[in-house]
Amino acid sequence: LAKTTQPISMDSYEGQEVNITCSHNNIATNDYITWYQQFPSQGPRFIIQGYKTKVTNEVASLFIPADRKSSTLSLPRVSLSDTAVYYCLVGDRRDDKIIFGKGTRLHILP
Amino acid sequence: NAGVTQTPKFRVLKTGQSMTLLCAQDMNHEYMYWYRQDPGMGLRLIHYSVGEGTTAKGEVPDGYNVSRLKKQNFLLGLESAAPSQTSVYFCASGRIPDLSNQPQHFGDGTRLSIL
Repeated sequence: LAKTTQPISMDSYEGQEVNITCSHNNIATNDYITWYQQFPSQGPRFIIQGYKTKVTNEVASLFIPADRKSSTLSLPRVSLSDTAVYYCLVGDRRDDKIIFGKGTRLHILP
Repeated sequence: NAGVTQTPKFRVLKTGQSMTLLCAQDMNHEYMYWYRQDPGMGLRLIHYSVGEGTTAKGEVPDGYNVSRLKKQNFLLGLESAAPSQTSVYFCASGRIPDLSNQPQHFGDGTRLSIL
């Protein structure tokens, strides 16, 4: 399982776009990049997953450069309710288990 | 649709007591997982199961036992609780991992304090 590195915490303001970058230098050919979101007193919730280039859904966008050694989760026009911990995970989708790191604590200010 | 339900939501134990945490899922998922979450540590995998009657160790299995007698239930047991096991415990379930997009679904956690 590839190790990931992401910032411990970030602050931003309502209405801004937030980009959280995750480094995964040892990503393997079959590995996918997955992001989860966790609100206080709740379990993590799947946000988005990708393999290369760009993936977009109703919640976020995921940008993955050609070398796949990093990825960026982009949250458009954040609100106070986006305050949460965001986890970047890298692994083969056929793996029996996934390992969570410490995540990035995002704090949105009014 | 309940998804993943954890019982109880809160519990306080004395050192040496035993208890069982129950996780139930109604999505017919094959895989189930138990994690613990401590401040500043993210989630750490305790045990997991790839199907009824099977269990496997995760990152931090010591001091815990699990059972998967029924597909929809995954039990986490503490035989002799220790203060170091004070934590928030999360259960998750998921389909058989394959090449499609198969995220895990999490419960809302059990907050356990060991005095």
